[in-house]
Amino acid sequence: AQSVAQPEDQVNVAEGNPLTVKCTYSVSGNPYLFWYVQYPNRGLQFLLKYITGDNLVKGSYGFEAEFNKSQTSFHLKKPSALVSDSALYFCALTNAGKSTFGDGTTLTVKP
Amino acid sequence: NAGVMQNPRHLVRRRGQEARLRCSPMKGHSHVYWYRQLPEEGLKFMVYLQKENIIDESGMPKERFSAEFPKEGPSILRIQQVVRGDSAAYFCASSPGTADIQYFGAGTRLSVL
Repeated sequence: AQSVAQPEDQVNVAEGNPLTVKCTYSVSGNPYLFWYVQYPNRGLQFLLKYITGDNLVKGSYGFEAEFNKSQTSFHLKKPSALVSDSALYFCALTNAGKSTFGDGTTLTVKP
Repeated sequence: NAGVMQNPRHLVRRRGQEARLRCSPMKGHSHVYWYRQLPEEGLKFMVYLQKENIIDESGMPKERFSAEFPKEGPSILRIQQVVRGDSAAYFCASSPGTADIQYFGAGTRLSVL
């Protein structure tokens, strides 16, 4: 069985500060890891992915994520948050064709 | 290249009626996924299909729900005899292969009265 955990339902940061949205996973085998963002009343949009290679992955809108195999984590980060980054963020794991999503973390960036 | 198209965007049904949700994947994508999102909750996997085949339906309720992805035409998620608990947003995603980026449609919001 595979699982994804996003331990924080909500993350609040001030504009201009760094942000981290946490994600841990459990899977047998090599994971393919993704981050998606969802704005209100919209579908999910792809942000970035880790398949293999460099543990630091850079994605859209200045986001990056670090794959840590020993800690089974794939935290999403951004050096300087924008108000427009406020949205719902999902971490996802794909293995053997099956995708599992975390429950999502609501990021609120305050001016 | 049009994105993933879902219709209708909003669907209202009375208890006991049938709901049919349609999903046209992106051009060239042969893998389709259906997810359900309840209010204030995350995304729950329902079913994964390739053309004419159901690959994984472990997230589908055993009764009243079915999905297909025919050789021609869109993928259909069918819910028979809907109940109020079926009210949710249903999202479809497509990808060119397994472990690829999934491209999501805007969803169908089903309301059961």
